[in-house]
Amino acid sequence: EVQLVESGGGVVRPGGSLRLSCAASGLTFDDYGMSWVRQVPGKGLEWVSGIDWNGASTGYADSVKGRFTISRDSAKNSLYLQMNSLRAEDTALYHCGRGVTTIDYWGQGTLVTVSS
Amino acid sequence: QSVLTQPPSVSAAPGQKVTISCSGSSSNIGNHYVSWYQQLPGTAPKLLIYDNNKRPSGIPDRFSGSKSGTSATLGITGLQTGDEADYYCGTWDSSLSAGVFGGGTKLTVL
Repeated sequence: EVQLVESGGGVVRPGGSLRLSCAASGLTFDDYGMSWVRQVPGKGLEWVSGIDWNGASTGYADSVKGRFTISRDSAKNSLYLQMNSLRAEDTALYHCGRGVTTIDYWGQGTLVTVSS
Repeated sequence: QSVLTQPPSVSAAPGQKVTISCSGSSSNIGNHYVSWYQQLPGTAPKLLIYDNNKRPSGIPDRFSGSKSGTSATLGITGLQTGDEADYYCGTWDSSLSAGVFGGGTKLTVL
């Protein structure tokens, strides 16, 4: 059974940084691209970033480009999102997902709150 | 404002059929596969349809997808109260080099 478990969320002040992690199990991690998708509670889904199977290619939403960095570690079966220069509008539940153009498995998410 | 346009809400009676539209452009739906996701209250999204019209294992054939030009449609037949959820379309956008979602459609089964 594929499981994706996010961690690393929390409360951070504007301008601060956080690093999210996603631990993957039940899949051959190196076979898949991965994504981060966020959702403000009560609002819609927003694709944040994606990375291909070997980390050679990455993509970002315009809203986070230059501030967020996606990466992966195949030895740890883990996906990461380094978030810098955080803004109030980055407050959301962050999900990791298997796939980039189609996300077929989703984690439950980790909540990031940016507030002074 | 989402790149893909969905109606905010749809409703129908149990047992009836409903369709949810998703409108885009040539840089997204027009040249890429569309996926559909169901999000029940308080849960993570779940893949319902991929590659425009394919269902993952375990998804009942009451759910169907289609695409024509720069629009896609999700169909649900034999509506059940358990189908009440938010539904999202998603695809890739070549101009943005990013994934994109619709704003979501809330389905109410009256």
